[in-house]
Amino acid sequence: SQTIHQWPATLVQPVGSPLSLECTVEGTSNPNLYWYRQAAGRGLQLLFYSVGIGQISSEVPQNLSASRPQDRQFILSSKKLLLSDSGFYLCAWSVIGTHTTYEQYFGPGTRLTVT
Amino acid sequence: AQSVTQLDSQVPVFEEAPVELRCNYSSSVSVYLFWYVQYPNQGLQLLLKYLSGSTLVKGINGFEAEFNKSQTSFHLRKPSVHISDTAEYFCAVSVAGGFKTIFGAGTRLFVKA
Repeated sequence: SQTIHQWPATLVQPVGSPLSLECTVEGTSNPNLYWYRQAAGRGLQLLFYSVGIGQISSEVPQNLSASRPQDRQFILSSKKLLLSDSGFYLCAWSVIGTHTTYEQYFGPGTRLTVT
Repeated sequence: AQSVTQLDSQVPVFEEAPVELRCNYSSSVSVYLFWYVQYPNQGLQLLLKYLSGSTLVKGINGFEAEFNKSQTSFHLRKPSVHISDTAEYFCAVSVAGGFKTIFGAGTRLFVKA
């Protein structure tokens, strides 16, 4: 069966520090991968999605970036964190193909607090 | 472009009472519709989905939803809620061939004893 991992689970970082969040998927090949941010009391904001290795689409211009160095690995980064980067970061995957059902499968999330 | 509106940000309800969480969508093409649930400090998990066929869809944990094309709605219902149903519920829409899912702002269901 498929599994999605995210780490770390929680993170407290000072303003101006770098960030690296990692997401890996097991049990599937060539998934579509997504990074979402959920601010307190708000819905999901799509940050990036990727349909293949090295292919990244950005949805929101900001100081975050994403990379997909391997088929089932998706990394969210920042060179300098802002207070507004605080939130709950969720990674998700889906399969688009002949028998796709378009649902997304979410990881457990990373709670980021920028101080 | 597609959009999703969840009409209630919070829904308080007593245990064993029925509940309906409302969702309306907007799209110029055919859509696939979903309800996800998020428990505190966890990721989202799929409750149910409508792809085609019967407009009444049954999901996990006793939830069901009805697709109404003329009213562009996909309301979620449960005849009798439990304390454990307290969570945030998200309505979402995708389109054929699309890579993205559009999520509503969420409805917080609070079940009281």
